[in-house]
Amino acid sequence: DAGVIQSPRHEVTEMGQEVTLRCKPISGHNSLFWYRQTMMRGLELLIYFNNNVPIDDSGMPEDRFSAKMPNASFSTLKIQPSEPRDSAVYFCATKTSGRDEQFFGPGTRLTVL
Amino acid sequence: AQSVTQLDSQVPVFEEAPVELRCNYSSSVSVYLFWYVQYPNQGLQLLLKYLSGSTLVKGINGFEAEFNKSQTSFHLRKPSVHISDTAEYFCAVTKGPGGSYIPTFGRGTSLIVHP
Repeated sequence: DAGVIQSPRHEVTEMGQEVTLRCKPISGHNSLFWYRQTMMRGLELLIYFNNNVPIDDSGMPEDRFSAKMPNASFSTLKIQPSEPRDSAVYFCATKTSGRDEQFFGPGTRLTVL
Repeated sequence: AQSVTQLDSQVPVFEEAPVELRCNYSSSVSVYLFWYVQYPNQGLQLLLKYLSGSTLVKGINGFEAEFNKSQTSFHLRKPSVHISDTAEYFCAVTKGPGGSYIPTFGRGTSLIVHP
């Protein structure tokens, strides 16, 4: 199994631009989580999907952030417009209902200039 | 709601020495507990977990942790560390049986192993 796949691995953009981060979960995993990791705030849960349905988006910082999961094999996290304070590493993690552990992707390092 | 406190942000240690990384949690219900490791420029991966049963759990790479309900702790230990153990370690908690699976992570402890 290829594990959780995230793209791009690195993204550098200018303030005000739209950014789209992508995640392909492990086949058969029905829960998907988006996290943001910064030195200041640590690892923050942004949103959580179960069976493609958003269950808890209370961690999404503001309306500039949106996430979708159109099918079981793909999810996106979009930031529009991006700001320098959005610079962070964004992780996607997935799990199956039969297991308690999450499997993390390698992350996308986002830099907003 | 649960919370997790990792008492040390950084733990320097010499190679082959023992190490303990501390984790305390707070919850009004029963919990599941996890330790994850993050190597540089990688995602987190599971080291070990406590769900029920024996309070001493063994994980990968020679790590073990002990669940102490009275002290609400889940400290991670290794008797002899290697240079390759240098990484960030995260303690996490979720609600136990019947709870919704939304993990809460600690701020992480950076383990630095010196030769």
